[in-house]
Amino acid sequence: AQTVTQSQPEMSVQEAETVTLSCTYDTSESDYYLFWYKQPPSRQMILVIRQEAYKQQNATENRFSVNFQKAAKSFSLKISDSQLGDAAMYFCAYRILRNEKLTFGTGTRLTIIP
Amino acid sequence: AAGVIQSPRHLIKEKRETATLKCYPIPRHDTVYWYQQGPGQDPQFLISFYEKMQSDKGSIPDRFSAQQFSDYHSELNMSSLELGDSALYFCASSLEGGRRTEAFFGQGTRLTVV
Repeated sequence: AQTVTQSQPEMSVQEAETVTLSCTYDTSESDYYLFWYKQPPSRQMILVIRQEAYKQQNATENRFSVNFQKAAKSFSLKISDSQLGDAAMYFCAYRILRNEKLTFGTGTRLTIIP
Repeated sequence: AAGVIQSPRHLIKEKRETATLKCYPIPRHDTVYWYQQGPGQDPQFLISFYEKMQSDKGSIPDRFSAQQFSDYHSELNMSSLELGDSALYFCASSLEGGRRTEAFFGQGTRLTVV
C-alpha cells in the first residue's frame, strides 16, 4: 500500500521569508504523480503544484516550487516570499497513473507571522 | 470558470437518519470522486465513477452508496447515520479519470450527525 508521510504537523514562517514543507512517500510504482494541496480556513481544497514522477525537472508555480528526489522518495514544497494568504493546512498527495484516487498525508499547518 | 458544485453546503442529521449529498462536476468532466475528511484528519477516498460506472472503491461503509447519473452529477447516499459520520465530504471531478485533467475539488458538504 502506498503511504504519504508529513512529519511536520505545524510550521511557522515570518512574512516575506521562505519556508519548506517536507513530504516522503512509499511506493513500489515507477509511474505516479505527486501533489501539494492547500486547505485554507474555508476548507476548500486547492491544488498548489503537481509533479510527474517521470520528469526530472522540479515543478514551479510562481512562489511555489518543489524539490523532488525520486530515489529518496521525497517531495518537499518551498514557499518563497511568504504571504499572509499562504496560511493554511498543506497536504501532500500521491496517485499512481493507472488509478485515480489520491492518497493524502496528514497535513502540515502553516502559520504566517506578520 | 465553472467549478465543482456541492449541495448542500451544511447538513445536520440525527442518528439513524438518511442523508443525500449531491455533486455537480465541472462541465465536460466525466469522472467524479468522493472523499471524507473527519475533524483534524486528512481526506480519505470513498469511491469514484467514470462515465457513470464505478471505477474505484475505497473505505466506504456498506451503509453508504453512490451513483453517477447520465448528466454526470453524482449523489452519495448515507443511511443509518452514526455520530462518526460527522465530517466534511468532498466531491472532486476530472476528465477521463484524471488522464486529461487533475481532480478539482468542490467546497465540500459539512455533515453533522447529532
